[in-house]
Amino acid sequence: EAQVTQNPRYLITVTGKKLTVTCSQNMNHEYMSWYRQDPGLGLRQIYYSMNVEVTDKGDVPEGYKVSRKEKRNFPLILESPSPNQTSLYFCASKGIRTRHYEQYFGPGTRLTVT
Amino acid sequence: SQQGEEDPQALSIQEGENATMNCSYKTSINNLQWYRQNSGRGLVHLILIRSNEREKHSGRLRVTLDTSKKSSSLLITASRAADTASYFCATDGGNSGYSTLTFGKGTMLLVSP
Repeated sequence: EAQVTQNPRYLITVTGKKLTVTCSQNMNHEYMSWYRQDPGLGLRQIYYSMNVEVTDKGDVPEGYKVSRKEKRNFPLILESPSPNQTSLYFCASKGIRTRHYEQYFGPGTRLTVT
Repeated sequence: SQQGEEDPQALSIQEGENATMNCSYKTSINNLQWYRQNSGRGLVHLILIRSNEREKHSGRLRVTLDTSKKSSSLLITASRAADTASYFCATDGGNSGYSTLTFGKGTMLLVSP
């Protein structure tokens, strides 16, 4: 089954404790992206990647890091989480060569930073 | 930066009625997409309309696009309780698959039995 998976689905952590949210897709998609969703603000893009070893900042990259060492994986790293990073996070991917351009979303990771 | 803005923010209807949601955007686009999100879950792609198209259908969904007014509408006909969800429009301004999507804040649709 074609899908985007994220882990963990729920995470409660404390300020300053480094964490990684994993994202994996099995559709051989070139493009992957991270979003955060906050009430009243909709979805905002954090980082995206056009292919292996190619990443770029989205609209709200501060406080986040990403890496793309393999095509299927695109982890989101919070080196020193703060309470304002409490949010619902989504990973998404899309195929470039198919020219369909729709994005496939993971189930989300609800992060709480205390 | 937020591009699409949905209207209304919330919509409450009865089963069997039609639901119309609107999306306005600011800059030129290559395509516009609509997504659905059930409470707290991932977004699901519904339909894509390209800038050279005016109308598109998919099952009970009908999307229109007016590039001169920079607006789009999503019509769900004969709504069902299972259509209860948030609906987002997303604009794609690029002409290659590498372009990013910019999402609006969404319309929350409640369909009562």
